Amino acid sequence: KNQVEQSPQSLIILEGKNCTLQCNYTVSPFSNLRWYKQDTGRGPVSLTIMTFSENTKSNGRYTATLDADTKQSSLHITASQLSDSASYICVVSVNNAGKSTFGDGTTLTVKP
Amino acid sequence: SAVISQKPSRDICQRGTSLTIQCQVDSQVTMMFWYRQQPGQSLTLIATANQGSEATYESGFVIDKFPISRPNLTFSTLTVSNMSPEDSSIYLCSVRQADTQYFGPGTRLTVL
Repeated sequence: KNQVEQSPQSLIILEGKNCTLQCNYTVSPFSNLRWYKQDTGRGPVSLTIMTFSENTKSNGRYTATLDADTKQSSLHITASQLSDSASYICVVSVNNAGKSTFGDGTTLTVKP
Repeated sequence: SAVISQKPSRDICQRGTSLTIQCQVDSQVTMMFWYRQQPGQSLTLIATANQGSEATYESGFVIDKFPISRPNLTFSTLTVSNMSPEDSSIYLCSVRQADTQYFGPGTRLTVL
């Protein structure tokens, strides 16, 4: 069982709408949680990174939240654009060990 | 931020042959990581490559199949040896700077 679970597996929304992607993790001890965007055929690009003490981080239209108590994170995308169509991957890192556990990703499709 | 380039970007290879993938970083880094991303799946760490020492392989990956070189602090190669169709995947090079992990654009390998 993956220690980082993402939901939904895929999502289709209309351009301009908002959406929220979920990430639940059991990785411990926790160092940081990162959200990446991966366009088809490209490498992942970092969107946000949050440590244990942070509960929200924004990057433009992307806002990530973190609840370290419940081990849940979300990525909220506001006013979606066609270019937001991609896979969004949640990655949790263990303290100072450099090991990262990757979620399977949520595939987002934004339609006009 | 680190800028990572990979060569080739894609290749189609025959069963039984080998392919060497190159990864170049625009800054010196201690650790470089090689990942595999099979179709529709998330990233799986193959090995960690430190300059001047042998790479550390994850469970399920062996040096004979995936030999790695790390001749200096900005360059690494991953060879996929004796390829089979099951090796068809995207191979990604990655480095970590501070708390952020950067990925190369990936090498899309198809084995016939």
